[in-house]
Amino acid sequence: EPEVTQTPSHQVTQMGQEVILRCVPISNHLYFYWYRQILGQKVEFLVSFYNNEISEKSEIFDDQFSVERPDGSNFTLKIRSTKLEDSAMYFCASRTEAAKNIQYFGAGTRLSVL
Amino acid sequence: RKEVEQDPGPFNVPEGATVAFNCTYSNSASQSFFWYRQDCRKEPKLLMSVYSSGNEDGRFTAQLNRASQYISLLIRDSKLSDSATYLCVVNLDTSGTYKYIFGTGTRLKVLA
Repeated sequence: EPEVTQTPSHQVTQMGQEVILRCVPISNHLYFYWYRQILGQKVEFLVSFYNNEISEKSEIFDDQFSVERPDGSNFTLKIRSTKLEDSAMYFCASRTEAAKNIQYFGAGTRLSVL
Repeated sequence: RKEVEQDPGPFNVPEGATVAFNCTYSNSASQSFFWYRQDCRKEPKLLMSVYSSGNEDGRFTAQLNRASQYISLLIRDSKLSDSATYLCVVNLDTSGTYKYIFGTGTRLKVLA
C-alpha cells in the first residue's frame, strides 16, 4: 500500500540552526500538508500546499518557516532559525484532488531543539 | 470556544467494558468528521469516518449530530490493545483548502 514517508525520523539540532524536514507524499497526490504536535498537546495545522504554492497557512507558520517541492517528489519544511519551542513532532500529509476528505499521514519527524 | 473539544481523560476501564467518548466542534462549516487513534509518539491513524446516519466497524460505533455539532465514539468489549489516545478530527474547508482540525484527544487505558 502506498504511504507517505518522512525523513529523518528524529532530528536533533542546536537553537538557531536551520533544519529541513523531508516528506515524500503518495505519488498521485496533489495536496500536501504539514502539521505539528508539541509533546502533550494537540496536532496543529501549519500549512497546505497545492500547485507549487501555499494555499493556506496558520498563524504558527511565520517567516521562519518555508515549504517547497524542489523536485516533483519531495515536499520539504524548512525552519530557518530554530527555537526551543519548535521542538515537536512534525507530520506530513497528502491527499488526492478528488478525495478531499481523506489525508494520509507520514510517521512524523521528531525535532529536538537544544 | 475551542474549535474541537474533547474530554482529555484518562479513561481507565477494565477489559470487556464499554466506553464512550464525546466531542464537540464549533464551526458549522465543518465538512467531514473522523475518529483517529494515536499511540504514544506515533502518527495519527484513521479509525473511522463519522456519518449522521451512524456507522459501525466491528466493536466501534460512531455517530454525528450536525444540529448539536456533536460527535461520539463507542467502543464495546474493550481490549488491552485499544489503549491509546482517540482524536476527534473535523475537516474544515476554508477557501478551497481542506484542513484537519484536531481535538486534544481522549486518553484510554484498558486494564487487565
